[in-house]
Amino acid sequence: EDQVTQSPEALRLQEGESSSLNCSYTVSGLRGLFWYRQDPGKGPEFLFTLYSAGEEKEKERLKATLTKKESFLHITAPKPEDSATYLCAVQPGSSNTGKLIFGQGTTLQVKP
Amino acid sequence: DAGVTQSPTHLIKTRGQQVTLRCSPISGHKSVSWYQQVLGQGPQFIFQYYEKEERGRGNFPDRFSARQFPNYSSELNVNALLLGDSALYLCASSDRGNQPQHFGDGTRLSIL
Repeated sequence: EDQVTQSPEALRLQEGESSSLNCSYTVSGLRGLFWYRQDPGKGPEFLFTLYSAGEEKEKERLKATLTKKESFLHITAPKPEDSATYLCAVQPGSSNTGKLIFGQGTTLQVKP
Repeated sequence: DAGVTQSPTHLIKTRGQQVTLRCSPISGHKSVSWYQQVLGQGPQFIFQYYEKEERGRGNFPDRFSARQFPNYSSELNVNALLLGDSALYLCASSDRGNQPQHFGDGTRLSIL
């Protein structure tokens, strides 16, 4: 069964304290792995797509990496405005649909 | 450029009623997907439509139905509402295949 698990469920950081969020997945083939940011009361905002093991993407203080079993979202020197829920999703290669399977998310709080 | 727009933003219904939610995709996007997000969880896939054809369906009962119009906008219908249908309903659009899906801010549906 295709499954995505994110850890930790919640993370509290001091401003400037770097850390990583984990996304472990089991999927029958991988068409793509996606990272989203979701603010309270809003829809998920697209951050990155990763397609193959070894691939890395960066955007400001965020860097996403991918292996055959997991993905990491590294946050370098976070600021309070980085506080949000970060969602990981996979698109199975076994399906012809655009179906995304999401993890439950990691809620990040960055304190000044 | 306008993003994905959804209407209404909030809706309150009672058990047994029917509801229709609407979504306009990003201009040029031909694929629309619907997701249900219960508080504290990641979004769950309901439907995908591409070029007005249903391309995928998640594990939801037949009370849930959808359609896509020639202008690529979409409607999600839910009949015989249950308390458990209370959730944030998200619409996402994409250009094609494994391209990133971009989400609207959702319709918050509350069932009394």
